[in-house]
Amino acid sequence: DTGVSQNPRHKITKRGQNVTFRCDPISEHNRLYWYRQTLGQGPEFLTYFQNEAQLEKSRLLSDRFSAERPKGSFSTLEIQRTEQGDSAMYLCASSGTGNTEAFFGQGTRLTVV
Amino acid sequence: AQSVTQLDSQVPVFEEAPVELRCNYSSSVSVYLFWYVQYPNQGLQLLLKYLSGSTLVKGINGFEAEFNKSQTSFHLRKPSVHISDTAEYFCAVIPLAGGTSYGKLTFGQGTILTVHP
Repeated sequence: DTGVSQNPRHKITKRGQNVTFRCDPISEHNRLYWYRQTLGQGPEFLTYFQNEAQLEKSRLLSDRFSAERPKGSFSTLEIQRTEQGDSAMYLCASSGTGNTEAFFGQGTRLTVV
Repeated sequence: AQSVTQLDSQVPVFEEAPVELRCNYSSSVSVYLFWYVQYPNQGLQLLLKYLSGSTLVKGINGFEAEFNKSQTSFHLRKPSVHISDTAEYFCAVIPLAGGTSYGKLTFGQGTILTVHP
C-alpha cells in the first residue's frame, strides 16, 4: 500500500487552458475527497465520492470544475478555462469502511499564468 | 454548519521549549476533532484525533491535545519541540451524524510553527 497518489505534482498552465488532475486512492478505499488549498489558508472541501457516485459538491465547485470516479477507483478533477484565481494546491484524500480518518495525498500545485 | 478558528497564525519557539497551538470551534451539533500537520509542499498527515472517551488524546511525535467541550476548544501541545516540528498545523472538525464521513473536514486557517535553534 503506497498511500494516496496524485499526479502531476505540479502544473503550470496559461489562463484559459483546461487542466486535469488524477488521484489514485488507497486500494479498497470506497470514499474519495477533493480539497482546494490556497496560500495561507486551510484546505476547503470541494467534492466527495462513495465508490463511483458523486454524493456531494461544495458551492466552491463552479461549473468550470468537474470530477469523476468512473470505476470507483481513481478519480480525475478537470478545470476548464482556467483563471488565475484557480491557482492553488489541490488535495485528494481517501477513507474506507472502518476508517476513522482520511488519508491525504501530496497534492497537485496548480499555477495559472 | 461548523467553523474552526486557530487563534495564532504563526508561533515561533526555541528548540526544547514547550508549545501550545490553540483551536476553537463552533458547531450546533457534536463533532469529532482532528489535528493534521503539513510540511512544505506536502499533503496532510494526521497527528491525533478525538472521537470519544478521555478528553486528553495523545498522538504521534510526542503531541497531545485536550478536548474542552464547555470552551469548545481542542488545543495542541508538545512539552519539548524539535527543529523537525517546524511545519504548518491544522485543526479540523467533522459533525457527528448517521454515516459520518471522516474525510469531509472543516479546517481552520492553520498555524505555522517555526522552531528556532
